[in-house]
Amino acid sequence: SQTIHQWPATLVQPVGSPLSLECTVEGTSNPNLYWYRQAAGRGLQLLFYSVGIGQISSEVPQNLSASRPQDRQFILSSKKLLLSDSGFYLCAWSLDIAKGILNSPLHFGNGTRLTVT
Amino acid sequence: AQSVTQPDIHITVSEGASLELRCNYSYGATPYLFWYVQSPGQGLQLLLKYFSGDTLVQGIKGFEAEFKRSQSSFNLRKPSVHWSDAAEYFCAVGALSNDYKLSFGAGTTVTVRA
Repeated sequence: SQTIHQWPATLVQPVGSPLSLECTVEGTSNPNLYWYRQAAGRGLQLLFYSVGIGQISSEVPQNLSASRPQDRQFILSSKKLLLSDSGFYLCAWSLDIAKGILNSPLHFGNGTRLTVT
Repeated sequence: AQSVTQPDIHITVSEGASLELRCNYSYGATPYLFWYVQSPGQGLQLLLKYFSGDTLVQGIKGFEAEFKRSQSSFNLRKPSVHWSDAAEYFCAVGALSNDYKLSFGAGTTVTVRA
């Protein structure tokens, strides 16, 4: 069965420090990968998604970047964190859309709570 | 682009009572609709999904949702809630033409009182 791992679970970082959050998926190949941010009262905001190695689409211009160095690895990064980067970050995966959208729901990791101080 | 509105930020319900969570979507074509549940500090779990066919969809944990095109709604219901249903619930809408990018609502927090 497929599993998604996301770490760390919590992170406290000072303003101006770098960030690296990692997400890996097991048990499937060529998944679509996503980074979402959840802010209180604002639901989930799609930050980045990737349909293949090295292919990254950015949804919202901001202080963050994403990379996909391997098929099942998705990394969220920042060179210098801002206070506004605090939030709950969720990684998710889905099967290739060609397999049918109803057969390709999003599967979420347990998230990373980032606090920028 | 598609969008979702969840009008209720917070709902409190007694254990054993019925629950209905509202979701209104905006999309020009036939939408793909989903309900997810998030327990505290956890990721999201898919409850149910809808694209076509029967407008009443059954999901996991005893939940169901009804698609009403005329009202642009996809409300989630459960006849009798359990204390374990206390969580945050998100409605989401997607479109095949949009590379499977879901738009989520702001969520509804459900509190269950004994």
